[in-house]
Amino acid sequence: AQRVTQPEKLLSVFKGAPVELKCNYSYSGSPELFWYVQYSRQRLQLLLRHISRESIKGFTADLNKGETSFHLKKPFAQEEDSAMYYCALSGRRSGAGSYQLTFGKGTKLSVIP
Amino acid sequence: SAVISQKPSRDICQRGTSLTIQCQVDSQVTMMFWYRQQPGQSLTLIATANQGSEATYESGFVIDKFPISRPNLTFSTLTVSNMSPEDSSIYLCSVLRGVTGELFFGEGSRLTVL
Repeated sequence: AQRVTQPEKLLSVFKGAPVELKCNYSYSGSPELFWYVQYSRQRLQLLLRHISRESIKGFTADLNKGETSFHLKKPFAQEEDSAMYYCALSGRRSGAGSYQLTFGKGTKLSVIP
Repeated sequence: SAVISQKPSRDICQRGTSLTIQCQVDSQVTMMFWYRQQPGQSLTLIATANQGSEATYESGFVIDKFPISRPNLTFSTLTVSNMSPEDSSIYLCSVLRGVTGELFFGEGSRLTVL
């Protein structure tokens, strides 16, 4: 079974402070991990994926297989970063040809001006 | 990116009735997914809808309660049958694009059951 854990429901930081949103996963195979974001009154959308190893809007996330983590980080938080962030893990079910994306419960980031 | 339209965006329904949610995509996709997001909870996959075959339901979800149609590669419906207040939730349609695992989501249908 695949599982994603986001231990913090709410994270409040001051503008300009560093941000780290925690994500831990459980998966028996080789994981593909993502961060999705939902800004106020907008639809859920992809922020970044680990295979791209890219920085989006100043955010980065490194897959740590030893710690089974995929924490999202940004050195200096901005007010526009306030949103709901979901960590997600994908895995193909063997023999089924289907696809499953498992989401964590999400962390609400609030950046205080 | 994909443009996904869901209807209705929100509805208030009476206990025991059924509601059908529509999902329209601007291009052909093989896999469409229906998620539920209950208040304060994460997104939970209800079922995967592939065109030309029966939907695949996740544990805890059954076809009698959540019948799904997938008549073509751009459209799907999810019906919430015999609703109870516990079905109050946001229902999300999503599609998978490419092989990189990115899901595109509709804006969701917020359902309140009285």
